[in-house]
Amino acid sequence: EAQLVESGGALVKPGGSLRLSCAASGFTFSDAWMSWVRQAPGKGLEWVGRIKTETDGGTTDYAAPVKGRFTMSRDDSKNTLYLQLNSLKAEDTAVYYCTRGSNHFNLWGQGTLVTVSS
Amino acid sequence: EIVLTQSPGTLSLSPGERATLSCRASQSVSSSYLAWYQQKPGQAPRLLIYGASNRATGIPDRFTGSGSGTDFTLIISRLEPEDFAVYYCQQYGSSLFTFGPGTKVDIK
Repeated sequence: EAQLVESGGALVKPGGSLRLSCAASGFTFSDAWMSWVRQAPGKGLEWVGRIKTETDGGTTDYAAPVKGRFTMSRDDSKNTLYLQLNSLKAEDTAVYYCTRGSNHFNLWGQGTLVTVSS
Repeated sequence: EIVLTQSPGTLSLSPGERATLSCRASQSVSSSYLAWYQQKPGQAPRLLIYGASNRATGIPDRFTGSGSGTDFTLIISRLEPEDFAVYYCQQYGSSLFTFGPGTKVDIK
């Protein structure tokens, strides 16, 4: 069964950094375009960023609010997706979901909570 | 950036009734790149419809997606108790993804 499991969420101070991980299993991770989607408490869904497969260049795209602060990467040998969050702001507080898909998201993890507060 | 607007914000219906949810885009969206998700409290979203009208694996046929251009619709033909949730539309274009703000379907 295909599965995504996120980890790394924590309470961090404004201006701080954090790295989230997403462990994939049950499918060929190296063939999958992957994204992060976040959801602030009581709010809707917001796409954060996407990384293509290495075959497709491994390039990344980001939403405007996080561009220059967040960085996605992948380690296909470990079937793991990463999200490096820098210069964190209070408005980055959210559950961060790891997702799979090229133009829609057909597999989601359970999410990991990032809280940015002093 | 394409902005998605969903209406109504909340839909109050009874089990067995028909639900019609609307998703409107600020500019034309390729039908291939319009999807719908269902989210229940405390759970991750679940893909319902992709390519505007294709049901995802395991999605019952009471869920139907349609539309093109800037106007898309999700219809739930007869609401079951487990269908009361929040529904989001999502589009992909120019290497960016956007979600609509969601429609909450609650029990009347």
